[in-house]
Amino acid sequence: KQEVTQIPAALSVPEGENLVLNCSFTDSAIYNLQWFRQDPGKGLTSLLLIQSSQREQTSGRLNASLDKSSGRSTLYIAASQPGDSATYLCALPMNTGFQKLVFGTGTRLLVSP
Amino acid sequence: DTAVSQTPKYLVTQMGNDKSIKCEQNLGHDTMYWYKQDSKKFLKIMFSYNNKELIINETVPNRFSPKSPDKAHLNLHINSLELGDSAVYFCASSQLAGHQPQHFGDGTRLSIL
Repeated sequence: KQEVTQIPAALSVPEGENLVLNCSFTDSAIYNLQWFRQDPGKGLTSLLLIQSSQREQTSGRLNASLDKSSGRSTLYIAASQPGDSATYLCALPMNTGFQKLVFGTGTRLLVSP
Repeated sequence: DTAVSQTPKYLVTQMGNDKSIKCEQNLGHDTMYWYKQDSKKFLKIMFSYNNKELIINETVPNRFSPKSPDKAHLNLHINSLELGDSAVYFCASSQLAGHQPQHFGDGTRLSIL
């Protein structure tokens, strides 16, 4: 059974800092890994999807890496801005149903001006 | 243009009532999902439909009945609402082939009095 953990649960940084969010998973036989952000009262916005054959994906100031063998993914945010404040979730398809996403517990990020 | 839209955004009702939540996607995806986010913000899949056929049915009480009239719509009907049904319900869609990312609606916040 796939279990997904995110550390830290909450993170507060001043504007401009680079930061790393962590996602750990127990079963390394994955199809892909997806990072989302969730703003209060809103749905989830897909940020990046890394296929199992890839090691990283970049979109603007975001860079996501994947290390299947160690069961880890990181989301790197460069030059953080107050608008980055949100909850960040990683999710993986269950290996018994590749469209059945298992979500991590999330990291609540606050970037202060 | 909203890609995945849910109605209503908020639903407040009495225990024992029956209610429905509607979801529509205009992305041309062939697969749609319902997720439940509980008070601890943990997201868990409930159902998934591919081309109007049920492909994922988690351990959900049979008071919950999804219906997909066509590929672009997936509705959720809940009978005999209970206090524990209070949560945010998210609809999502994706293209099944190629492990494509899932796109989420803004959620329906259901509160049972």
